[in-house]
Amino acid sequence: EIVMTQSPATLSVSPGERATLSCRASQSVAINLAWYQQKPGQAPRLFIYGASTRATGIPARFSGSASGTEFTLTISSLQSEDFAVYYCQQYSNWPLTFGGGTKVEIK
Amino acid sequence: QVQLQESGPGLVKPSETLSLTCAVSGFSINNGYYWGWIRQPPGKGLEWIGSVYNTGSTYYSPSLKSRVTISVDTSKNQFSLKLSSVTAADTAVYYCARGNSIDHWGQGTLVTVSS
Repeated sequence: EIVMTQSPATLSVSPGERATLSCRASQSVAINLAWYQQKPGQAPRLFIYGASTRATGIPARFSGSASGTEFTLTISSLQSEDFAVYYCQQYSNWPLTFGGGTKVEIK
Repeated sequence: QVQLQESGPGLVKPSETLSLTCAVSGFSINNGYYWGWIRQPPGKGLEWIGSVYNTGSTYYSPSLKSRVTISVDTSKNQFSLKLSSVTAADTAVYYCARGNSIDHWGQGTLVTVSS
């Protein structure tokens, strides 16, 4: 089973600032990596797939990148609606596995 | 548009079997994709339970494999989850979803295991 490790667990950022979220896979997943945003009481929403492709309707301020087994989600300028929990997930191998999440909170 | 809707009991007794169904609209299960179940205990992260293809081929989480059955009914365009011998640790919001990079989710349904 591939273990996905996200850091930090909590990220405190001021509106307008840049946020960088990390996700590490315990072995290669190629670019079979997705990012989801989840707000309280809501289902997760797909934001990034293929490590760097934005899903439909996702603003350009969100970008994903990959370097080996290290993945990064960057939010270039945080808006109020971006404060949420973000999860990474690999879909390279069964079983599908999620990271533990990063909560982006208002500083 | 693609929509998924979970249904089933919100309360299950310990040692019994949790059963949920996901009705899919706006897309035929016969047209492809894996269809899966994910759960989220209160205040915790996401846990993948398992997935099924329209042929009935399944993959399960190793930690739940002995208790899980996921099946598909293409004639009704729905798929189902059964989790046996439940305990309080199985209390969670259960989501049904489409795909391996999951582009559509149900709204989720809270299942509480309690006597």
